[in-house]
Amino acid sequence: SQQGEEDPQALSIQEGENATMNCSYKTSINNLQWYRQNSGRGLVHLILIRSNEREKHSGRLRVTLDTSKKSSSLLITASRAADTASYFCAPAPTNAGKSTFGDGTTLTVKP
Amino acid sequence: DTGVSQDPRHKITKRGQNVTFRCDPISEHNRLYWYRQTLGQGPEFLTYFQNEAQLEKSRLLSDRFSAERPKGSFSTLEIQRTEQGDSAMYLCASSLGETQSSYEQYFGPGTRLTVT
Repeated sequence: SQQGEEDPQALSIQEGENATMNCSYKTSINNLQWYRQNSGRGLVHLILIRSNEREKHSGRLRVTLDTSKKSSSLLITASRAADTASYFCAPAPTNAGKSTFGDGTTLTVKP
Repeated sequence: DTGVSQDPRHKITKRGQNVTFRCDPISEHNRLYWYRQTLGQGPEFLTYFQNEAQLEKSRLLSDRFSAERPKGSFSTLEIQRTEQGDSAMYLCASSLGETQSSYEQYFGPGTRLTVT
């Protein structure tokens, strides 16, 4: 299995600011996924980045991947109060096994 | 709604009782996963199926836990002789799983279990 470790554990910002969360992993991956989870709800898939991609955008989200450093980052630009949630990364290993989740980054966006 | 659905959404049971949860994946998805999540933690992998075959089980899945996916469509997760430590959110996810590029997992809303 392959576990993602998110950093920081908690992040608190003002509405309109950018939020950056990081993810590190240990072994080679096929792709890496980011998820959001609102309190008490299921996980929502945000974006998937493949191992041969370095950057990917989706709306206000920007994900980078550095396979040499085994790390990824999720940037949320112009944050909104509705972005308040926990964010998880899930690296998918190359042997097609399962990926496992870290404990996430809890983002609080203050209005 | 064509997403992953789970039933029930909430379950309160007394210690020692058996409970069963159901997950209906997205219809064309071959892979189905079960996770458990406690407050403040990330989801912990329990088991997954490729069609009807159960390919992997976590060591977290004690003998009291059993999962099935009899026809390769919906899945059930049963917990026998529940303990207070089983109280958690149980999440189901599905993915296409046909190629290495299609392991994007889509999650259901979860079943929250409370064991009193």
